[in-house]
Amino acid sequence: AQSVTQLDSHVSVSEGTPVLLRCNYSSSYSPSLFWYVQHPNKGLQLLLKYTSAATLVKGINGFEAEFKKSETSFHLTKPSAHMSDAAEYFCVVPNFGNEKLTFGTGTRLTIIP
Amino acid sequence: GAVVSQHPSRVICKSGTSVKIECRSLDFQATTMFWYRQFPKKSLMLMATSNEGSKATYEQGVEKDKFLINHASLTLSTLTVTSAHPEDSSFYICSARDRWGIGGELFFGEGSRLTVL
Repeated sequence: AQSVTQLDSHVSVSEGTPVLLRCNYSSSYSPSLFWYVQHPNKGLQLLLKYTSAATLVKGINGFEAEFKKSETSFHLTKPSAHMSDAAEYFCVVPNFGNEKLTFGTGTRLTIIP
Repeated sequence: GAVVSQHPSRVICKSGTSVKIECRSLDFQATTMFWYRQFPKKSLMLMATSNEGSKATYEQGVEKDKFLINHASLTLSTLTVTSAHPEDSSFYICSARDRWGIGGELFFGEGSRLTVL
């Protein structure tokens, strides 16, 4: 079975500083992996996805993530945080066939002005 | 981009009543839709998979008679919370995949917040 572990429930960074949201995965095969963002009382928006092509994946709003098989990690980064980045971020792994999604517990990102 | 719409976005009801939540794919057809429940400050929990023209598939621990799902067309799935109780208060989110889409991305609705008094 596939699973993901988000290592931080809450991350706070100052505006303009780098963002790092950590995610480790567990899978019996090389998985697809997604990052979704959820703004307050809103649905989820896909930030980026890894599907066994390039290990460095670029997403929307300046975010990117690197798939590291040796570390079983898929951490989300952004060079410079913006106030609008404040939201909940979910690392997600789909099951084989990309039907059902298993969500991590989420990381709440707070941006300090 | 593809849009999934949920209605209502917020609903308050009395204990014992039933509430219906709609999930529509606005510009694509979806043979499969998914219903999730999100508790405060928690992750999303998959409740069931809604299949167009057939019965929904429920996840373990989800009461079929409590959460009725109907997927009558390729663009609409409904979730009915029957005889709602305060513990059913939650944020319900649906997602759908374009049956003809490339890449298999799931699109999420904006969620429906249910409060049972």
